[in-house]
This record gives sequence, structure tokens and C-alpha cells, in this order.
Amino acid sequence: GESVGLHLPTLSVQEGDNSIINCAYSNSASDYFIWYKQESGKGPQFIIDIRSNMDKRQGQRVTVLLNKTVKHLSLQIAATQPGDSAVYFCAENMRDNNNDMRFGAGTRLTVKP
Amino acid sequence: DSGVTQTPKHLITATGQRVTLRCSPRSGDLSVYWYQQSLDQGLQFLIQYYNGEERAKGNILERFSAQQFPDLHSELNLSSLELGDSALYFCASSPTPGSGELFFGEGSRLTVL
Repeated sequence: GESVGLHLPTLSVQEGDNSIINCAYSNSASDYFIWYKQESGKGPQFIIDIRSNMDKRQGQRVTVLLNKTVKHLSLQIAATQPGDSAVYFCAENMRDNNNDMRFGAGTRLTVKP
Repeated sequence: DSGVTQTPKHLITATGQRVTLRCSPRSGDLSVYWYQQSLDQGLQFLIQYYNGEERAKGNILERFSAQQFPDLHSELNLSSLELGDSALYFCASSPTPGSGELFFGEGSRLTVL
């Protein structure tokens, strides 16, 4: 079935560099996307969201880009810090399945000091 | 603190046994979601409830069942447990399905020996 997936399972960056985490989705009916951060031993926490009528949304140090043509989502973290080390999940709202929120496999981001 | 409470935090049991995981959603949230997360894996959607009614079903095994009570708390029942059921079980809530971000609890870690 259709699902959200990630291109890379792990990403290692140097402190201060920018990070880019990618996500591919295949459900064209999805109209809302969220990025979550999961620190070790904790539940996922909301980072930023974007609706399908937008192609870019910025938060504090984070930017989400949505390319509906190729069904691709990315999360950019500026000036990555050690506290950004976590697993990042993208999730899509399945409008055609009672608004079920489906998660991708996740990318583990490691920030090296 | 997300406002979502899950109990127990940790649970160790034997194969063949049955356990019940409990979730209290954020105050005012009518939707409850259950997810399973195996070691270093993504979040597998199990089931969603809205105001006491089952709304969407994911890859939930027949040995598993859930319900949402009139006070909106939810329970996930896992029976005839197998070693492979060892995982983190997360509950999340939102005001309504598709209303936006999900708020996750800290999870219940189940170990089946």
C-alpha cells in the first residue's frame, strides 16, 4: 500500500552545519504533513507542519519544503546543534482514510561536536 | 509534557500472557491513536478512535484490541503475547481527526520474555 518513506536511515553532521532530512510520500490524497522529532526514550514531538497548498514553511531554525510534483518533503535544520540529535519522522495525513496519520521509517540525525 | 498520560511505563511479561495498556488523552482531545514502535523502527499505526468510536485501523493484529471509553481514555489489549510483540507502544491524541498535530505520550515499553 501507499506509505511515507525516507531516503536515508541515518545522517551525521558537524555541529554548526545545516542538515537536510528527506521524505518521499506516495499518497496523492494526503493534504497535510508534519515533521516530528523523537529523542531517546521519549515520544515524538511536533516540529513543524505544512499543508498541501504551500510549498515552504519556516519555523525557528527549521524549514519544511514540499514538492507535490514529485511527492517529496524535506526538513532543513539550520546551524545544527547537539540537541538536535534525534530520530526525525515525517508523517502524512491520509485524507482518504479517515485522516489517519501515517509515519515514515525515520532518520537518525547525529550531530558531531 | 504533552498532556497525554500512558501507563504503565514499563511492563515485562511472558509469552502467552495478556496485558492492557492505558492512555489518557489531553484534556479536550476526542481522538486517540495507538502506534507500535519496535527497536530502531518507525511508528506503525495500529488503530484510531474518535469520541468512543473506532475510526481507522492500521496493521493491528487480531490478538490485539482496543477501545475508547466514555471518559475518552483508551486501552490497548494485547493477548497471546509473542516475543515479537516486544516494543514501545505510543498513544497520541488530537482534538479531532485531521485537526493537526498529534500529541504523544511517553510510551509504554513492553518486554515479552
